[in-house]
Amino acid sequence: GAGVSQSPSNKVTEKGKDVELRCDPISGHTALYWYRQSLGQGLEFLIYFQGNSAPDKSGLPSDRFSAERTGGSVSTLTIQRTQQEDSAVYLCASSLIGTGATEAFFGQGTRLTVV
Amino acid sequence: AQKITQTQPGMFVQEKEAVTLDCTYDTSDPSYGLFWYKQPSSGEMIFLIYQGSYDQQNATEGRYSLNFQKARKSANLVISASQLGDSAMYFCAMREGYAGGTSYGKLTFGQGTILTVHP
Repeated sequence: GAGVSQSPSNKVTEKGKDVELRCDPISGHTALYWYRQSLGQGLEFLIYFQGNSAPDKSGLPSDRFSAERTGGSVSTLTIQRTQQEDSAVYLCASSLIGTGATEAFFGQGTRLTVV
Repeated sequence: AQKITQTQPGMFVQEKEAVTLDCTYDTSDPSYGLFWYKQPSSGEMIFLIYQGSYDQQNATEGRYSLNFQKARKSANLVISASQLGDSAMYFCAMREGYAGGTSYGKLTFGQGTILTVHP
């Protein structure tokens, strides 16, 4: 695709339910990043993929959060037993390689609301 | 310890004037990259400018320039001739580049600075 695609764009879920957020990066981009942004706040790093492996998953808030990437392309962020504090915009970004002057391109985000 | 620090939660500038947004960073890697992004109220993240740790010259992109002071570990964004459309949140970010480290390629953002341009 032309850009990073995230789905769904909005998700409302009940507390305790599981949710899956999807990120489709730009074709050929080897690096993929997940961030979380609360209203008016900065970007909280969650996890980073280089290909299918995650060299750094230190930002995942708890064991309720997991992410995978398959085929060096699509990534899924899964939140189990959602809590109200999980409500935020989840942003995905990809870049051509993990270093150098290659900027990260962002998707439009998934706005998650836990009620 | 914070990797990226933006000390100005909010900044105000008059239209057509220049403004500097501060960013300091912390890394022991010799190889790294510094980025600035703009996030308008629509929420999209827009890449503005990049500076590599080995770059000798300060980066410039149109009205944007990066004041890179390596010894001070600062990478301030300068916006010249501010426009009303520059009102947005601005984020400084760093990508670490040491291939032997677990943070290789990791892109970390600061907390952002909200810039308001007054007419």
